[in-house]
Amino acid sequence: KAGVTQTPRYLIKTRGQQVTLSCSPISGHRSVSWYQQTPGQGLQFLFEYFSETQRNKGNFPGRFSGRQFSNSRSEMNVSTLELGDSALYLCASSGLAGGSTDTQYFGPGTRLTVL
Amino acid sequence: AQKVTQAQTEISVVEKEDVTLDCVYETRDTTYYLFWYKQPPSGELVFLIRRNSFDEQNEISGRYSWNFQKSTSSFNFTITASQVVDSAVYFCALSGYNAGNMLTFGGGTRLMVKP
Repeated sequence: KAGVTQTPRYLIKTRGQQVTLSCSPISGHRSVSWYQQTPGQGLQFLFEYFSETQRNKGNFPGRFSGRQFSNSRSEMNVSTLELGDSALYLCASSGLAGGSTDTQYFGPGTRLTVL
Repeated sequence: AQKVTQAQTEISVVEKEDVTLDCVYETRDTTYYLFWYKQPPSGELVFLIRRNSFDEQNEISGRYSWNFQKSTSSFNFTITASQVVDSAVYFCALSGYNAGNMLTFGGGTRLMVKP
């Protein structure tokens, strides 16, 4: 099976711009989660989507949003970029079908640099 | 609130030494899941192990072993006869039963194995 794929792998934006990152989960997986990784804050949960619905949301401002499509692919959007948004954004998918925790498999990440 | 602490930020060993990475967690959930992930320089988080709170059996997989002790809220990871390829950042993570796929990560331990 192909793993989780994320595009693009690298992005450079300037403050005030917006950006959209894409994630394709492992075939058959219906849950997609997003995480932000920075040197200062470490790995932090952004949100999780399951069957096109946001199921969990971390403690991030409303500038961070996401969505999931019927084929389980997911996008996250960051509007009005700030310097502090520079980070590695990781997407993870799992085959979760119910309410318990499943194992998440991560993609290679998108490294976003905001200038 | 959930919390994961990896007190060792960086460990350096010489090849063939054994090394233990510590993980201490806090949760109010009675059912929860613990994970270890490896992050090589490429950035992708690689899943190593998942353990639920009702299974305190230690596990061994090749050179890797895990010691789960509920009494001390610890889930430590030992690499036996370390190799240069083990050099990476290792993350311990926790998810509560009702948290879906929201993982709370520790700060990570950077392991450097020198030849």
